[in-house]
Amino acid sequence: EADIYQTPRYLVIGTGKKITLECSQTMGHDKMYWYQQDPGMELHLIHYSYGVNSTEKGDLSSESTVSRIRTEHFPLTLESARPSHTSQYLCASSAGQGWEETQYFGPGTRLLVL
Amino acid sequence: AQSVTQLDSQVPVFEEAPVELRCNYSSSVSVYLFWYVQYPNQGLQLLLKYLSGSTLVESINGFEAEFNKSQTSFHLRKPSVHISDTAEYFCAVSDIRNTPLVFGKGTRLSVIA
Repeated sequence: EADIYQTPRYLVIGTGKKITLECSQTMGHDKMYWYQQDPGMELHLIHYSYGVNSTEKGDLSSESTVSRIRTEHFPLTLESARPSHTSQYLCASSAGQGWEETQYFGPGTRLLVL
Repeated sequence: AQSVTQLDSQVPVFEEAPVELRCNYSSSVSVYLFWYVQYPNQGLQLLLKYLSGSTLVESINGFEAEFNKSQTSFHLRKPSVHISDTAEYFCAVSDIRNTPLVFGKGTRLSVIA
């Protein structure tokens, strides 16, 4: 079983609030990812990181930001939440640098912005 | 850029019956192919993957998938499903240019007793 954790699991919040979704992994993986998934739709990569102090934007434009100050921690922040941000956010990690490596996923955070 | 199409959004099947979940991809170069599974209230986990070599890959719980380059497919099959196989299944593709994984929309497999 992979050791990757996301908090909170569920979040209901009002428009305009700043929120941070936490993601931590204890496997020492270099690469970490954030995906956004709407019900019945594809997972879309919104951010990824090759290692400490490395962050890249994914294929889906997102108003969120990320940071990678420690190997095990990859938080995602929304400065001002809007209803359009309502979605499920999945964090993942993998060993090595290549995209052929197995990704290990956290349980996800379901976000509802009112 | 590569893309993935999962043709069926939902597949209901009776317990002990065979099942096939379809996945087609498009890419101009050689690919890596994956099937991930998401059980209810859990994160995605790798089911099996094709990187190179034998075109038939198997998982530990009886699923198999065959890479068919001419048909650009990577369909997932199981000869006899269990209730515990009820889950969402995602096909994904990356390629040798080291591009990010692209996921399909997922297929919800519902096994009926």
